Amino acid sequence: GAVVSQHPSRVICKSGTSVKIECRSLDFQATTMFWYRQFPKQSLMLMATSNEGSKATYEQGVEKDKFLINHASLTLSTLTVTSAHPEDSSFYICSGSRTGQEPQHFGDGTRLSIL
Amino acid sequence: AQSVAQPEDQVNVAEGNPLTVKCTYSVSGNPYLFWYVQYPNRGLQFLLKYITGDNLVKGSYGFEAEFNKSQTSFHLKKPSALVSDSALYFCAVRDPSSGGSYIPTFGRGTSLIVHP
Repeated sequence: GAVVSQHPSRVICKSGTSVKIECRSLDFQATTMFWYRQFPKQSLMLMATSNEGSKATYEQGVEKDKFLINHASLTLSTLTVTSAHPEDSSFYICSGSRTGQEPQHFGDGTRLSIL
Repeated sequence: AQSVAQPEDQVNVAEGNPLTVKCTYSVSGNPYLFWYVQYPNRGLQFLLKYITGDNLVKGSYGFEAEFNKSQTSFHLKKPSALVSDSALYFCAVRDPSSGGSYIPTFGRGTSLIVHP
């Protein structure tokens, strides 16, 4: 199977801190990686799509300067929440897919809590 | 354009009984359809997909789904529910005629509760 590892699983930090979340595809090359945000009892909200070696494509309403995405290799994408505030508290999930193949394979998510 | 609807926020079923979680979709062409399951504080796990071929698709953990083009539906089913099946289920659709994007649209999710 295709495994995606997301780290850390949980982060609690003070307001104003920047937080980096890593998403790694362990046994396949993820040409495309996706970052989602999930609110309690709600569906996934796609934040951005990133392709290896190019700039991420952000969905409407998502601040690219707030949520920095880097997809430097075929196995690693990172999401950095800059100067996080309590309203950024959420469950963030990444996923990856091989070139031209489906389905997406998801990480286990990161629970971000900003105090 | 592509869209998907899961009309039920919650489905309750007794253990041992058959279960159905509903999903309907809208695409301009032939759809790619997916079901995922999410356990608390976890990411989504892939259950099954329909791309082409047999309308009845079998997936993980004894789940299956039937593609019905006339009703634009892709309901998830299992003959005998287990308490451990209790989780959040997401249906997703992608319109392959949309070009190079591989971004599916996810439904709002249906919470399945299986009672002992």
